[in-house]
Amino acid sequence: TQLLEQSPQFLSIQEGENLTVYCNSSSVFSSLQWYRQEPGEGPVLLVTVVTGGEVKKLKRLTFQFGDARKDSSLHITAAQPGDTGLYLCAGSVFNKFYFGSGTKLNVKP
Amino acid sequence: NAGVTQTPKFQVLKTGQSMTLQCAQDMNHNSMYWYRQDPGMGLRLIYYSASEGTTDKGEVPNGYNVSRLNKREFSLRLESAAPSQTSVYFCASKRRDTEAFFGQGTRLTVV
Repeated sequence: TQLLEQSPQFLSIQEGENLTVYCNSSSVFSSLQWYRQEPGEGPVLLVTVVTGGEVKKLKRLTFQFGDARKDSSLHITAAQPGDTGLYLCAGSVFNKFYFGSGTKLNVKP
Repeated sequence: NAGVTQTPKFQVLKTGQSMTLQCAQDMNHNSMYWYRQDPGMGLRLIYYSASEGTTDKGEVPNGYNVSRLNKREFSLRLESAAPSQTSVYFCASKRRDTEAFFGQGTRLTVV
């Protein structure tokens, strides 16, 4: 089992639908990050959440950090085909930087 | 604008062969990491280095060794490659609590 568990693992939806991806752990993090990865590329940072309960918005993407700083969620409103990719949460524990198990999103036109 | 440079991009090895993956960053980051990524999965931490001269195991260190040659360079060595090590390998660097920057990855196939 990985330190950061994401759900769902796969998601295939139609353009215009909403979706939520979850990232859960039993460990407390000082911050959590969300990355998006395209095929053949390394992950690219979307956002960093630092404060428990924090909500950050990036256009149609809304990120939330749990009050206890053990979990986070990513909500996408009105998904577009350009949102297709692998979404990864990540966080540090004693200098070790861990990634979640990943959520592969496919948005069909 | 180099960021993190990783070589080689592709490699095919026979079972039992050895090889070293090279990684260099020009952002003056203290922390460097090696990950492996299997198809459709997240990244699993192999080894990391919090600063020059220090290294430590991650989630899946068996079959690998690392060297932090200096602040810029962090190499990953496979002493005796096995088919289970077929994967895409990523090197990354970061400062504490900031964004991680990645190399372009090495696609390794062990036959």
